[in-house]
Amino acid sequence: DSGVTQTPKHLITATGQRVTLRCSPRSGDLYVYWYQQSLDQGLQFLIQYYNGEERAKGNILERFSAQQFPDLHSELNLSSLELGDSALYFCASSATEGGYGYTFGSGTRLTVV
Amino acid sequence: AQKITQTQPGMFVQEKEAVTLDCTYDTSDQSYGLFWYKQPSSGEMIFLIYQGSYDEQNATEGRYSLNFQKARKSANLVISASQLGDSAMYFCAMRAGGGADGLTFGKGTHLIIQP
Repeated sequence: DSGVTQTPKHLITATGQRVTLRCSPRSGDLYVYWYQQSLDQGLQFLIQYYNGEERAKGNILERFSAQQFPDLHSELNLSSLELGDSALYFCASSATEGGYGYTFGSGTRLTVV
Repeated sequence: AQKITQTQPGMFVQEKEAVTLDCTYDTSDQSYGLFWYKQPSSGEMIFLIYQGSYDEQNATEGRYSLNFQKARKSANLVISASQLGDSAMYFCAMRAGGGADGLTFGKGTHLIIQP
């Protein structure tokens, strides 16, 4: 157990729908990151939060949004889903920015049908 | 822009042999960090080892060591005495600068350990 908890583990939904992925970071970690892993794009950084504030954006689509709450858990919202959004979505957390202990959760596998 | 190159899409290794997985990186930043992760077929990303650009010693974590050659911009992962459970995808990744842009990943190496 990495200490980073992601729910749900699997999600199947239809095109056009909206889903929310949830992440609880490892205890004490203030940085939270979201990544997408797909067969064609590989692992891509989506967005980063620090102690509730958005800190950096990567290749995140406008249809996607995220937030980090006061208890430090984070949610990634995916809307108007397309078949191409099917992927493994990871949350990661760290105590320092991009340093040792950058730990990933077990991921949420999203299938859009 | 940062780039990670893993030139070995797949490797077959006999159990108990040592394995070296190649990783080269490209960045103009002086401060950066290098990571290796293992992804078994179940999908989770497991942290293996980290090397900071200013660390003088090569990082080691149990059977894993990172052969860091700064001038050559390489950060190869060495697994000693491989085990069947080491069969997985292995990803090299880099954090450049302050780290606010997340990690940049290579395409991975699929390692298969044969009995």
